[in-house]
Amino acid sequence: DTGVSQNPRHKITKRGQNVTFRCDPISEHNRLYWYRQTLGQGPEFLTYFQNEAQLEKSRLLSDRFSAERPKGSFSTLEIQRTEQGDSAMYLCATTGRDNSPLHFGNGTRLTVT
Amino acid sequence: EDQVTQSPEALRLQEGESSSLNCSYTVSGLRGLFWYRQDPGKGPEFLFTLYSAGEEKEKERLKATLTKKESFLHITAPKPEDSATYLCAVTRGGADGLTFGKGTHLIIQP
Repeated sequence: DTGVSQNPRHKITKRGQNVTFRCDPISEHNRLYWYRQTLGQGPEFLTYFQNEAQLEKSRLLSDRFSAERPKGSFSTLEIQRTEQGDSAMYLCATTGRDNSPLHFGNGTRLTVT
Repeated sequence: EDQVTQSPEALRLQEGESSSLNCSYTVSGLRGLFWYRQDPGKGPEFLFTLYSAGEEKEKERLKATLTKKESFLHITAPKPEDSATYLCAVTRGGADGLTFGKGTHLIIQP
């Protein structure tokens, strides 16, 4: 168990650029979540995959956000035309069973200038 | 809509001074309540899961308890390395994952 791995750890981009983050889950975990966390707040749900199927998206998620999980392994989160309000920590979490604890990666810190 | 409220927002204690953190929740059909610890610049680290009222879990200086409306995280004789933000989260199960509170920022002074 090497844990959930996220890359890059930090990303600085200019407003209007596209960015993509990657999450490599714990190998036996088929459930994968993306969360966003801003300073002083708890993580906020963005989207959920079970294997390769995206089963849930937050109604707060802008059309500029898209996520994939090809073959049910790693996942990517893309943000198009970034805005300053997108600056946050993006966290990936995985688990093997419903109602079981989520195991989080150390996140990607995005700064939009 | 599920709601999780944590108090206090911040807490400063002397080393060895025991205290409790509160997590009040409103959720239809609670399937689990989770406590996490988060250090600056890192992802949340799992501490405990509680599934039903009356349940208690312990780990070193930490003890978590659950009632039908709230959960407490008791910290006994804390040490400076216990300084962190403690997050509470609830789930109804299924695709929605966890709903988190804003956390309690705990500082233990030597």
